[in-house]
Amino acid sequence: SSVLTQPPSVSVAPGKTARITCGGNNIGSKSVHWYQQKPGQAPVLLISYDSDRPSGIPERFSGSNSGNTATLTISRVEAGDEADYYCQVWDNISDHVVFGGGTKLTVL
Amino acid sequence: QKQLQESGPGLVKPSETLSLTCTVSGGSISSSSYYWGWIRQPPGKGLEWIGSIYYSGSTYYNPSLKSRVTISVDTSKNQFSLTLSSVTGADTAVYYCASLFSGHYRYWGPGTLVTVSS
Repeated sequence: SSVLTQPPSVSVAPGKTARITCGGNNIGSKSVHWYQQKPGQAPVLLISYDSDRPSGIPERFSGSNSGNTATLTISRVEAGDEADYYCQVWDNISDHVVFGGGTKLTVL
Repeated sequence: QKQLQESGPGLVKPSETLSLTCTVSGGSISSSSYYWGWIRQPPGKGLEWIGSIYYSGSTYYNPSLKSRVTISVDTSKNQFSLTLSSVTGADTAVYYCASLFSGHYRYWGPGTLVTVSS
């Protein structure tokens, strides 16, 4: 099964760009999905298939995936972006789902 | 748009069995496009995949929980269920049900807190 590694925390000033990484062996060969979770709420799908934004997700959120690292990029960070972010893949060999450990984004 | 809602006891005694049900609305649980899954989140910790089920009954479980977990589906009620046996305090968590579409969870229930305590 895949193991996905995220930094526990990332801090960024308002208006700047935040990058949250998700590391995994040859993760570039898989589709990576990203979720945002605010306190007391269920996760919300933010990015699917590495870089697709579901309807209603601002263009400030983007994703990329290559080699051993997938990256969630948040441009022009706002205070409301402060949340936990999780990457996720589906292992299509075992039909198992794997989540990264999560990254807490702090807006300074 | 699908809506999911978890239901079940909020308190379970140690060594007993946790049972939760997820009711799906806004679409048929028998859709060939979806798997249905359970995810949990212990207080202050990250998301943990518990398992998934296809409407046909095929199941897939997290290896770390496999010996204690059963997920089942009731297509007549548009529901799927989770049972977790021999629970301990480590099973205290918010339990989410969600729909798995092409490898990602698009729709989630609001979650339900289950506390394991005597």
